[in-house]
Amino acid sequence: GNSVTQMEGPVTLSEEAFLTINCTYTATGYPSLFWYVQYPGEGLQLLLKATKADDKGSNKGFEATYRKETTSFHLEKGSVQVSDSAVYFCGEGGTSYGKLTFGQGTILTVHP
Amino acid sequence: EAGVVQSPRYKIIEKKQPVAFWCNPISGHNTLYWYLQNLGQGPELLIRYENEEAVDDSQLPKDRFSAERLKGVDSTLKIQPAELGDSAVYLCASSAIQGTGELFFGEGSRLTVL
Repeated sequence: GNSVTQMEGPVTLSEEAFLTINCTYTATGYPSLFWYVQYPGEGLQLLLKATKADDKGSNKGFEATYRKETTSFHLEKGSVQVSDSAVYFCGEGGTSYGKLTFGQGTILTVHP
Repeated sequence: EAGVVQSPRYKIIEKKQPVAFWCNPISGHNTLYWYLQNLGQGPELLIRYENEEAVDDSQLPKDRFSAERLKGVDSTLKIQPAELGDSAVYLCASSAIQGTGELFFGEGSRLTVL
């Protein structure tokens, strides 16, 4: 079946550091790809998405590019802030209509 | 606009007891999902409803888990009897457009089985 593999955490960075969280997927066809974020004490919320190959999703300074050739959707941010501390989940909306499959999540902690 | 509302936020029970979780989706969202999130893991789909019809319940352990969505709005997820391994967070989500993956999640119901 479809699956998503994320870079293992936790990831600890200093403020203004560059962030990359790797994500790869296995799926047939052309799934939509997503990053969700879960801040402490809150529910998951959509951070960004891309629906076809070479699309770039972006939001709040975060970016991710849909790479069909490497089946990847890595999350990047040029300069992280303390407020970015959260758990980040990569997801793919595969061929099973309406079903979203998540990776295991990556904990990010940003220190001042 | 109100988000997805779940209750209770926390529940502690002894094994073999029943437990129920309630979810109220965003108004107008016809698709509702129940996900299970174990500690340190990503959410895993238990069941998906389109209006009042369960269209994907292949991951729901039907020997002890049941769910319903009366009138295609609110939903209830029940476990009877609960086992130690059921300790997890139960997430409810809803969406307005099929297949886009833009799910809106509630804060979850954390279950602890002693």
